[in-house]
Amino acid sequence: AQSVTQLDSHVSVSEGTPVLLRCNYSSSYSPSLFWYVQHPNKGLQLLLKYTSAATLVKGINGFEAEFKKSETSFHLTKPSAHMSDAAEYFCVVSDLNTDKLIFGTGTRLQVFP
Amino acid sequence: GAGVSQSPSNKVTEKGKDVELRCDPISGHTALYWYRQSLGQGLEFLIYFQGNSAPDKSGLPSDRFSAERTGGSVSTLTIQRTQQEDSAVYLCASSLVAGTTTDTQYFGPGTRLTVL
Repeated sequence: AQSVTQLDSHVSVSEGTPVLLRCNYSSSYSPSLFWYVQHPNKGLQLLLKYTSAATLVKGINGFEAEFKKSETSFHLTKPSAHMSDAAEYFCVVSDLNTDKLIFGTGTRLQVFP
Repeated sequence: GAGVSQSPSNKVTEKGKDVELRCDPISGHTALYWYRQSLGQGLEFLIYFQGNSAPDKSGLPSDRFSAERTGGSVSTLTIQRTQQEDSAVYLCASSLVAGTTTDTQYFGPGTRLTVL
């Protein structure tokens, strides 16, 4: 069965510093992986997705993630945090047969001025 | 274009009452999903519709939960005899085609259900 583990429940950074949100996955086949963001009182928004094309995936708002099969990781990064990046971030894997999404527990990102 | 819409945005009900939550997917999307986001449980899959196929109900937590999708478009999630543990945000998502593992799911804003 597929699953994802988000290694940090909370991450705090200063504005202008790099962001790293960690995610490890477990899958018996090549997975489809996603990062979604949820701002307070807003719906889930897709940041980026990996579907076995390029291992470095670029998303919206300057985020990117790298698929590393040897490490079973799909960490989310951004070179310079902005105050508007403060939100909850979910690492997600897609079930092969149904496309139902299996969510990680989420990482809350705080950005300090 | 219009995204996924859900109604109501908030619902407060008394324990034991039935509730109906509505989802309008993006026009032309054949796949529709319901998820639940609750404290302590995170985000969990409930049910999935793909075209005219029988729905995948494997995520429904009990037989008090049911859903239907009429005409391949609008979906209604019904919770009978609500319990306090049903309090959560119920999210609907749709995608153009399911089963490809590549298609993006677009989420609605959710319905926040509070059971007193």
